[in-house]
Amino acid sequence: GNSVTQMEGPVTLSEEAFLTINCTYTATGYPSLFWYVQYPGEGLQLLLKATKADDKGSNKGFEATYRKETTSFHLEKGSVQVSDSAVYFCALMDSNYQLIWGAGTKLIIKP
Amino acid sequence: DGGITQSPKYLFRKEGQNVTLSCEQNLNHDAMYWYRQDPGQGLRLIYYSQIVNDFQKGDIAEGYSVSREKKESFPLTVTSAQKNPTAFYLCASSSRTGHNQPQHFGDGTRLSIL
Repeated sequence: GNSVTQMEGPVTLSEEAFLTINCTYTATGYPSLFWYVQYPGEGLQLLLKATKADDKGSNKGFEATYRKETTSFHLEKGSVQVSDSAVYFCALMDSNYQLIWGAGTKLIIKP
Repeated sequence: DGGITQSPKYLFRKEGQNVTLSCEQNLNHDAMYWYRQDPGQGLRLIYYSQIVNDFQKGDIAEGYSVSREKKESFPLTVTSAQKNPTAFYLCASSSRTGHNQPQHFGDGTRLSIL
């Protein structure tokens, strides 16, 4: 069946460090892929998405590229800020238009 | 501002009691969803609705019920049959089913047992 695997957290970085949060998926066909962010005590916000192979989604300095050959959608940011501290979720949309979620990766940025 | 409003933000349930969580959207979205989030875990789908007066069970529907009498409203009832209801509940909506349509989320309701 379809599934999403994210790297376990928490990921702790210093401000201005480079960020990578790994996400790999298992799915039939070519699902759309999403990254969502959840700040403490809040709901989820769409961060970026990609709908086909080699697409790059980007928003607020974050990027992720849809890699069909490695079934991956890793999230990257060149220079993180304290305000980026949150939980990040990778998800894919299956053939029934339902979102399949990763377990989430908590990111902690220290000043 | 368009968005999804969940209420209340915090809710407490007594043993044997049913409680209802409210979800209202003014985005004119057709599809609505309820998720449960447990600490340190991802989201699990409880129920979803693609159109008024129709809804389907998700992965963990037991002990929950929903209704979709209006396009903008999708209330979730946590019944006494749900033995472990303590969790963070998230409501979401999307404009229509389709591979490019992201889901938009409310700010959640945190349910605890008294």
